[in-house]
Amino acid sequence: EAGVVQSPRYKIIEKKQPVAFWCNPISGHNTLYWYRQNLGQGPELLIRYENEEAVDDSQLPKDRFSAERLKGVDSTLKIQPAELGDSAVYLCASSLMVSTEAFFGQGTRLTVV
Amino acid sequence: DAKTTQPNSMESNEEEPVHLPCNHSTISGTDYIHWYRQLPSQGPEYVIHGLTSNVNNRMASLAIAEDRKSSTLILHRATLRDAAVYYCILSKAGTYKYIFGTGTRLKVLA
Repeated sequence: EAGVVQSPRYKIIEKKQPVAFWCNPISGHNTLYWYRQNLGQGPELLIRYENEEAVDDSQLPKDRFSAERLKGVDSTLKIQPAELGDSAVYLCASSLMVSTEAFFGQGTRLTVV
Repeated sequence: DAKTTQPNSMESNEEEPVHLPCNHSTISGTDYIHWYRQLPSQGPEYVIHGLTSNVNNRMASLAIAEDRKSSTLILHRATLRDAAVYYCILSKAGTYKYIFGTGTRLKVLA
């Protein structure tokens, strides 16, 4: 069975440009997470979805970040406009339900120049 | 949220056991102890979790102190493929909220 799939794997953009990341969770997983991981640090939660509802977005910088999960399956995370400090790895994870183990994708490494 | 403290790095020889410690002195009675690991250029991977009793699975063992203020992840025979950053995380029962620290970077020597 395929794991969590993210694309693209790498993205380089100029500051002030928009960027979007895509995540396809494991089939049947209701819970989806987006994390951001800065160099040398552990991942930090940005947003959690239960099906198509964002139930915790308290850590999402809402002035420039947005996310959606259409039909409770795939999800996209968008940054507009990107800033230099947004350079990081963006990880998507999914779990069957909120209290079960999370499975992570390989992440998208974003470099803002 | 209760926090964990782990050594920044550890080394082990291949095919020897590895004991990765984690201190969580402010743990509450409903906090589960989770371990994830992150191989280079990969997302974190679930290893094991427990509440009070020691746990074993195909990847590792988790030894939890009687007072629950510390725990140890045990890799019984380290291989080169076990070289990774290991995160010890606490979460409330039935919740998702993983707060990752900086973890322990394990180096396995051939």
